Amino acid sequence: SAVISQKPSRDICQRGTSLTIQCQVDSQVTMMFWYRQQPGQSLTLIATANQGSEATYESGFVIDKFPISRPNLTFSTLTVSNMSPEDSSIYLCSVESRDRGYEQYFGPGTRLTVT
Amino acid sequence: QKEVEQDPGPLSVPEGAIVSLNCTYSNSAFQYFMWYRQYSRKGPELLMYTYSSGNKEDGRFTAQVDKSSKYISLFIRDSQPSDSATYLCAMSAETSGSRLTFGEGTQLTVNP
Repeated sequence: SAVISQKPSRDICQRGTSLTIQCQVDSQVTMMFWYRQQPGQSLTLIATANQGSEATYESGFVIDKFPISRPNLTFSTLTVSNMSPEDSSIYLCSVESRDRGYEQYFGPGTRLTVT
Repeated sequence: QKEVEQDPGPLSVPEGAIVSLNCTYSNSAFQYFMWYRQYSRKGPELLMYTYSSGNKEDGRFTAQVDKSSKYISLFIRDSQPSDSATYLCAMSAETSGSRLTFGEGTQLTVNP
């Protein structure tokens, strides 16, 4: 499976600021995804990061709030903009591996607390 | 109604017990089924990936899919304290590029 790293692993941010989360994969992958896991809840897909084009957002998530970049096949960033305490969550990137049937593997996550 | 229902537990069992974890779903378009294990403060780790109805075994883990009943299960044999984690079921409708829909996760504790 792919080795996925995320930076930062955790952060505490003030209301109204923005944070950019990085996701790095050790091999080229076609599909990269960003998920949110709110406290005590399951994972919800934010968007699919497309290389060379705009991300595809799920219902309830918008580009102005969660801009995503995907400059190449091994790297993506998610920015959480104009943060509020409701954005406190774990943000996870995942990649799809076609080596074993399109399985999705997750990074370790970024734990964000907004005060 | 949620697309995927999973009892959040918590579930506590003695070491060596057989654990049964279950999810039901309502969307008949789901064709691919996964089980992830998530340790505290870690990302989800893929345990099992299945497509067809029936059983798939990998070591102490068996995944079972019943598409006619829209019901999937994960069995853990000879459970160990190291199996203590949250187990998440996930499903998708397409092979590639499809969003995963997750269950709420079941918190499992295996007591020595």
